[in-house]
Amino acid sequence: DTGVSQDPRHKITKRGQNVTFRCDPISEHNRLYWYRQTLGQGPEFLTYFQNEAQLEKSRLLSDRFSAERPKGSFSTLEIQRTEQGDSAMYLCASSLRGVEQYFGPGTRLTVT
Amino acid sequence: SQQGEEDPQALSIQEGENATMNCSYKTSINNLQWYRQNSGRGLVHLILIRSNEREKHSGRLRVTLDTSKKSSSLLITASRAADTASYFCATDSLNTNAGKSTFGDGTTLTVKP
Repeated sequence: DTGVSQDPRHKITKRGQNVTFRCDPISEHNRLYWYRQTLGQGPEFLTYFQNEAQLEKSRLLSDRFSAERPKGSFSTLEIQRTEQGDSAMYLCASSLRGVEQYFGPGTRLTVT
Repeated sequence: SQQGEEDPQALSIQEGENATMNCSYKTSINNLQWYRQNSGRGLVHLILIRSNEREKHSGRLRVTLDTSKKSSSLLITASRAADTASYFCATDSLNTNAGKSTFGDGTTLTVKP
């Protein structure tokens, strides 16, 4: 399977802990996106990379959130000092030339 | 706030019937896309329609776009139980070349066998 993969698929953590998620995009795709989705709502844009450069960040991405794509391939999204409001599905997508996006299965985060 | 709004929020039909979902958006766009999401899973891209197109077909899917009304519709013909899912429209704004998409909150479609 050469689609977008995300790891882990599920993460349960206690409030105040740090968590890190990984996304592996489709290999030839130069753009990578992170979205957050809460129950009953559509995905909300968080940030995007073109190759290794992070070109845009949403205001939703507080200073507790950081994302990297060090070699222009996989990406990580870290949340520090997690809060219950961070509980959501975190979706990664990749694209070539930024039109059609291919989504991964998501990482479901539960903060207790 | 979200760019797109889908209507209705929920739709329940019998297998074999057609399902129509509508999407309205606020700002001028480059293109509009429809995605499907099965419960608790990732999104699957269904169809893209560009701002200079008015109608597009893909299998049992038909999408229309009316840029003057800032609205789009997705028609699924001859529905099947496997079509049960949430459907989202997503727009790519003219104000960015990032390709990032702004999603609505979706229509939940239930197709009863």
